[in-house]
Amino acid sequence: NAGVTQTPKFRVLKTGQSMTLLCAQDMNHEYMYWYRQDPGMGLRLIHYSVGEGTTAKGEVPDGYNVSRLKKQNFLLGLESAAPSQTSVYFCASSSLNTGIYQPQHFGDGTRLSIL
Amino acid sequence: AQSVTQPDIHITVSEGASLELRCNYSYGATPYLFWYVQSPGQGLQLLLKYFSGDTLVQGIKGFEAEFKRSQSSFNLRKPSVHWSDAAEYFCAVGLMNTGFQKLVFGTGTRLLVSP
Repeated sequence: NAGVTQTPKFRVLKTGQSMTLLCAQDMNHEYMYWYRQDPGMGLRLIHYSVGEGTTAKGEVPDGYNVSRLKKQNFLLGLESAAPSQTSVYFCASSSLNTGIYQPQHFGDGTRLSIL
Repeated sequence: AQSVTQPDIHITVSEGASLELRCNYSYGATPYLFWYVQSPGQGLQLLLKYFSGDTLVQGIKGFEAEFKRSQSSFNLRKPSVHWSDAAEYFCAVGLMNTGFQKLVFGTGTRLLVSP
């Protein structure tokens, strides 16, 4: 069972470079999320999507863009990477809340270092 | 604003001993509460959740948690810790907003298990 798959798992960038992180889920979930995890700060929501073609800002959206062209994929882009974006990035997905709160399922993370 | 506090950054427990990880939340209504576990290099795995009803909830891997409204707490417990339980544990509050769910995470507690 694949669940939520993130690629790549590791990446090192130079300041100013751009890259895209890919998240794919095979559970037909409507909601998808991007978080960043930093030491001593838990997980913070960057952007999220409530369906194909829709995205919204989370808690820490600056410096990131996202797209959800297909229901199963959620892309996180860094247009001009900065050292402050060195972090571990997690993607998550969850199904529609039809009166019952559905838990989020997480990928294994992408460790990104910006030099 | 909603918040989750995990007051212990690190906890060391002897193998076979009991465990309690503390979690306090700040939220105006009855929240949805979760405990996630993160093993090194892995994503977050849901241990258990509380939505309503019985305030003592059972989860996977022998964990349980008790919701105490009067103390705004949702502490995680395990009667006998195994070496494989060494990981980082996150408490989270789930918030609903017109069907979309948002998770607010605590900063995590790292559990170390000594022989």
